[in-house]
Amino acid sequence: GESVGLHLPTLSVQEGDNSIINCAYSNSASDYFIWYKQESGKGPQFIIDIRSNMDKRQGQRVTVLLNKTVKHLSLQIAATQPGDSAVYFCAETNTGNQFYFGTGTSLTVIP
Amino acid sequence: EAGVAQSPRYKIIEKRQSVAFWCNPISGHATLYWYQQILGQGPKLLIQFQNNGVVDDSQLPKDRFSAERLKGVDSTLKIQPAKLEDSAVYLCASSLSGYNEQFFGPGTRLTVL
Repeated sequence: GESVGLHLPTLSVQEGDNSIINCAYSNSASDYFIWYKQESGKGPQFIIDIRSNMDKRQGQRVTVLLNKTVKHLSLQIAATQPGDSAVYFCAETNTGNQFYFGTGTSLTVIP
Repeated sequence: EAGVAQSPRYKIIEKRQSVAFWCNPISGHATLYWYQQILGQGPKLLIQFQNNGVVDDSQLPKDRFSAERLKGVDSTLKIQPAKLEDSAVYLCASSLSGYNEQFFGPGTRLTVL
């Protein structure tokens, strides 16, 4: 099966600082990646996606970077807010069908 | 726009009993997914439908799990008989297609005693 892993299971940041959440994937054929945010008791919520023909994509306060050479994905959150506290998952697919999710990183924002 | 609806939100059963979960996707979404999320882990895809056809069910334990999507809209996931290790949150998601954003429902938390 696929292997999608996160480097750090927990991350604590001060409010206002930038956060970086990392993700490693094993399938070099993966061509679509998504970052999700999951708050306690809720389903995952889409944050941002990126296709393999791109290296970087920006959204509102978030940036995803894709390094296909080392099979690494990162999510950068600018000016982290208390509402950003959640578990973040990366997911990958190479067919648009079977999506593989990582274990998740728990982000805690310290006021 | 209404989101993905799931019911029930919580279910407690004893092992060897049967249970069914229901999902209503976002209107117009052709692709529907069922995931199993064990506490502390990421969601694991169980089955994916494209309209009312199965696209991928490679990780569905077919000896006890079954799913259907009637008329390409609502879907049900059934477990019969349940085992202790089936305790998890069952998430339903839908999207316009496989290479699009997935919208998740709130999930059904199943506890098997």
